[in-house]
Amino acid sequence: QQQVKQSPQSLIVQKGGISIINCAYENTAFDYFPWYQQFPGKGPALLIAIRPDVSEKKEGRFTISFNKSAKQFSLHIMDSQPGDSATYFCAASKGFGGTSYGKLTFGQGTILTVHP
Amino acid sequence: NAGVTQTPKFQVLKTGQSMTLQCAQDMNHNSMYWYRQDPGMGLRLIYYSASEGTTDKGEVPNGYNVSRLNKREFSLRLESAAPSQTSVYFCASSEEGGGLYNEQFFGPGTRLTVL
Repeated sequence: QQQVKQSPQSLIVQKGGISIINCAYENTAFDYFPWYQQFPGKGPALLIAIRPDVSEKKEGRFTISFNKSAKQFSLHIMDSQPGDSATYFCAASKGFGGTSYGKLTFGQGTILTVHP
Repeated sequence: NAGVTQTPKFQVLKTGQSMTLQCAQDMNHNSMYWYRQDPGMGLRLIYYSASEGTTDKGEVPNGYNVSRLNKREFSLRLESAAPSQTSVYFCASSEEGGGLYNEQFFGPGTRLTVL
């Protein structure tokens, strides 16, 4: 049972273009939505995260857009660079401070390739 | 700070063999996690330890056991390896409660092949 569905599985973008990765979740109890970035041979690392009390969060070229009513959130990478080529995972967790706190449910991942 | 370290980096086992994956963190985190990563499946939680002395099952615990040896170390054991356990295994840690952003810090992974 996949509670967080991510698309597309792979994405090819030209340098300078916009990369968009989408995620949809089912559990309305989720209240924390991070994105992790993973380079080949490395572990994932937190890129950016959002709580559902805001609809958008921007950090540099990376923006999360959040639509609570649709239960969807997306990652936008502006001015994509070859160095952004990596696998991106969306995730969600619930119960901030509760017994299930800290347990992340990940999406399937998106392999992003940015051509020079 | 080394962050989260994992040993070994690579391992090949035969079906039925046992092994223990080691994980240690030097960030004084209370919570630790074991995930497996398979193509097209994302990262799936195997077991986690919210704090020293406690462990709990995640999404895919069958065939695995864990030990929270102390605050720093969290090991994952395969008692009788099966080809379906071929995967990349990641250990992660976070502050108790995860801090403001519930950030999990991941190790470099162990690539396990079961023949």
